[in-house]
Amino acid sequence: ETGVTQTPRHLVMGMTNKKSLKCEQHLGHNAMYWYKQSAKKPLELMFVYSLEERVENNSVPSRFSPECPNSSHLFLHLHTLQPEDSALYLCASSQDQTEPAHGYTFGSGTRLTVV
Amino acid sequence: KQEVTQIPAALSVPEGENLVLNCSFTDSAIYNLQWFRQDPGKGLTSLLLIQSSQREQTSGRLNASLDKSSGRSTLYIAASQPGDSATYLCAVSNDYKLSFGAGTTVTVRA
Repeated sequence: ETGVTQTPRHLVMGMTNKKSLKCEQHLGHNAMYWYKQSAKKPLELMFVYSLEERVENNSVPSRFSPECPNSSHLFLHLHTLQPEDSALYLCASSQDQTEPAHGYTFGSGTRLTVV
Repeated sequence: KQEVTQIPAALSVPEGENLVLNCSFTDSAIYNLQWFRQDPGKGLTSLLLIQSSQREQTSGRLNASLDKSSGRSTLYIAASQPGDSATYLCAVSNDYKLSFGAGTTVTVRA
């Protein structure tokens, strides 16, 4: 396991459900990120948190709602999703958002299927 | 906006052959560049990190070069093995973001 842990690993949800994805890092990093990876497409940045404050929302629909209660935890709350939201959701962290001198560490991802 | 391109999109080689994966980016004002490996349905594993002031990094059979002025990086994998089969992603850090290429999917035939 890397220093970034994501749960659950797999999630199947209906379009009317509400669920949450969880990300936890024990690396002492100050910045955390959500990425979406759809089939045949490059990773897309969704949200950036630095020191628990959201610093970037990359035009993500409101049915995705992030939460960062402390520097070690990041959540992605999901509600009324669409089938096209099915993808691999990856969490990442870095020591610092502005100067990521040591690069980024990624979790194993949550494979989301919306039915 | 940073655009990252990886060529080729897919590569199939016999075991033992050396691999050459290319990455290009449009904005040369990068902070650093990172190569990742991704196995099917899994997360990203960091392979090499090259700071903007560096020309190359090496780890075991892997070597990555960086030519920041021309916006290029190359990942070399020596003496490929079937276990090297995966998708390799190039990512550049600038403007407080990490931008990814679409990846090169490598198959090493035994």
